[in-house]
Amino acid sequence: ETGVTQTPRHLVMGMTNKKSLKCEQHLGHNAMYWYKQSAKKPLELMFVYNFKEQTENNSVPSRFSPECPNSSHLFLHLHTLQPEDSALYLCASSHPSIRGEQYFGPGTRLTVT
Amino acid sequence: AQKVTQAQTEISVVEKEDVTLDCVYETRDTTYYLFWYKQPPSGELVFLIRRNSFDEQNEISGRYSWNFQKSTSSFNFTITASQVVDSAVYFCALSETHGSSNTGKLIFGQGTTLQVKP
Repeated sequence: ETGVTQTPRHLVMGMTNKKSLKCEQHLGHNAMYWYKQSAKKPLELMFVYNFKEQTENNSVPSRFSPECPNSSHLFLHLHTLQPEDSALYLCASSHPSIRGEQYFGPGTRLTVT
Repeated sequence: AQKVTQAQTEISVVEKEDVTLDCVYETRDTTYYLFWYKQPPSGELVFLIRRNSFDEQNEISGRYSWNFQKSTSSFNFTITASQVVDSAVYFCALSETHGSSNTGKLIFGQGTTLQVKP
């Protein structure tokens, strides 16, 4: 399998649930990213990992907890979310350099009820 | 501060028309990269092109062409003879740098929604 994959593609969860989003890349990249895309809003960068180390947390609430066990996998653990957290969550990977274009997964469409 | 502006929020054209999507950027860096991405209704952002700041040659790929003008800080994208399958949201992006630290982060514009009607 090639490219960037994300599971699940769709997720509906209640505000008291705990769930995790998974991202996997088969491109040999060392940088991985989580983005949030809400309706009618631009892409919001959430977290950046370079060589498994978190290098950026863009003031994301603690109810979102990322995990990067290795350069190929990235998780986003979710707990006690709010309805306004409903959005498309996109994962991306790249070479960690200025010229590295990012390759995106298909996203997880999250609905918080 | 670095910034990308896509002033056109939505564009609607009829099939076979040419359409240009505008992108204006701000940066103090002398070395930087610019990107265009396409996001079809399926949601996945698809990488279209990367251009470095030292290469101002226009590029053409099939019906797609890109016009990079450093003097006006613009990197515009033209689709010739548009097709219904071109309907998508298009994002322009700029590589972010912190002095000599090139992190790989991208600064995205707000996106332009293109609707091509049959």
